[in-house]
Amino acid sequence: EPEVTQTPSHQVTQMGQEVILRCVPISNHLYFYWYRQILGQKVEFLVSFYNNEISEKSEIFDDQFSVERPDGSNFTLKIRSTKLEDSAMYFCASIGRGNQPQHFGDGTRLSIL
Amino acid sequence: GESVGLHLPTLSVQEGDNSIINCAYSNSASDYFIWYKQESGKGPQFIIDIRSNMDKRQGQRVTVLLNKTVKHLSLQIAATQPGDSAVYFCAVGGSQGNLIFGKGTKLSVKP
Repeated sequence: EPEVTQTPSHQVTQMGQEVILRCVPISNHLYFYWYRQILGQKVEFLVSFYNNEISEKSEIFDDQFSVERPDGSNFTLKIRSTKLEDSAMYFCASIGRGNQPQHFGDGTRLSIL
Repeated sequence: GESVGLHLPTLSVQEGDNSIINCAYSNSASDYFIWYKQESGKGPQFIIDIRSNMDKRQGQRVTVLLNKTVKHLSLQIAATQPGDSAVYFCAVGGSQGNLIFGKGTKLSVKP
């Protein structure tokens, strides 16, 4: 069964540094999402992406965050200047079209020191 | 906006018993509901979904019930097995296709 894959599985970064989290959505999927989950808490929506542009973003997704689909397979989340509170699991998800359940990757654990 | 809440943060059941996990949502206009299972160190794994034009949907050993009158959603797992131990999240579809998650119920299955 096709999977959403995320790399790296764990990223440790100094506060203030830039970090890029990478995702390879399921091939031929069209809608892409980033979510985050702070340890022990619920999964929170960050941003959705369709047709090479952001379609919706949450309050969490401020100017420090950006997303990009640099080629036909990768979908990235960049945090420009990381803060301690950015420490969380970050999940990528994708769907082929509307009315389908989102498929999630296994996440990247981001630890900010 | 939508908010999603779960009734119990933890649930412990005996192997072979049925499990019921409950969820409440706030927006009566919500029309898509989904249950995910999350095992330790993994991402949310799709279990079953339901749209507002239905009140019940069955899968393999799982049933989702939707009560739109009281804005309540439940997941029933029949003959619970140790492999069912995980955190279960309900989520509601947002207006732009994003999902709004509840806090999760940790299901523990005792052998």
